[in-house]
Amino acid sequence: SAVISQKPSRDICQRGTSLTIQCQVDSQVTMMFWYRQQPGQSLTLIATANQGSEATYESGFVIDKFPISRPNLTFSTLTVSNMSPEDSSIYLCSVDRDNLNTEAFFGQGTRLTVV
Amino acid sequence: AQSVSQHNHHVILSEAASLELGCNYSYGGTVNLFWYVQYPGQHLQLLLKYFSGDPLVKGIKGFEAEFIKSKFSFNLRKPSVQWSDTAEYFCAVIPYNNNDMRFGAGTRLTVKP
Repeated sequence: SAVISQKPSRDICQRGTSLTIQCQVDSQVTMMFWYRQQPGQSLTLIATANQGSEATYESGFVIDKFPISRPNLTFSTLTVSNMSPEDSSIYLCSVDRDNLNTEAFFGQGTRLTVV
Repeated sequence: AQSVSQHNHHVILSEAASLELGCNYSYGGTVNLFWYVQYPGQHLQLLLKYFSGDPLVKGIKGFEAEFIKSKFSFNLRKPSVQWSDTAEYFCAVIPYNNNDMRFGAGTRLTVKP
């Protein structure tokens, strides 16, 4: 299995500010995924992050709001910009360890509350 | 639109009852199928997965799922639930020629002792 560490585990932020979430994996992976899990809802894919290229965003998510960095094969960050209460959610980092679509491993998530 | 559908939003059972949670998907072609569980306050964990071969797959904690290609279904089953099975269950699909995982809305299971 892959060990994924996310930081911070939770935060309470003021509206209009930005928060950067870090995701560290214990091995090199080609693709890293960022999901959002809003209260009482399922996981929604925000974007896919490949090392060395720009992230690919899903419909409804834009780079200006959710900029992503992928500086190497074990690390990625997601920034939630200009936050509003609607951004309150759990943000999850995920990887496909063997790049064969055989299993996705998840971090413990970052619980964000915007006040 | 292509999607993953879980039919039950909330299921309440007594201990020792049998469980079946429905999952249907609308993606064509070959798919990889998964069931994940999220216990209260914990992160997602893989219960079982199907890629090919025997359509009846067995996972951890006594869970199993059956892939029925003609029905685009991958239902999760357990013959006798326990109180500790109380959790949120998510069906997920990786569509053919794709790399990202699509989730159903989830089913909350409550098992009464």
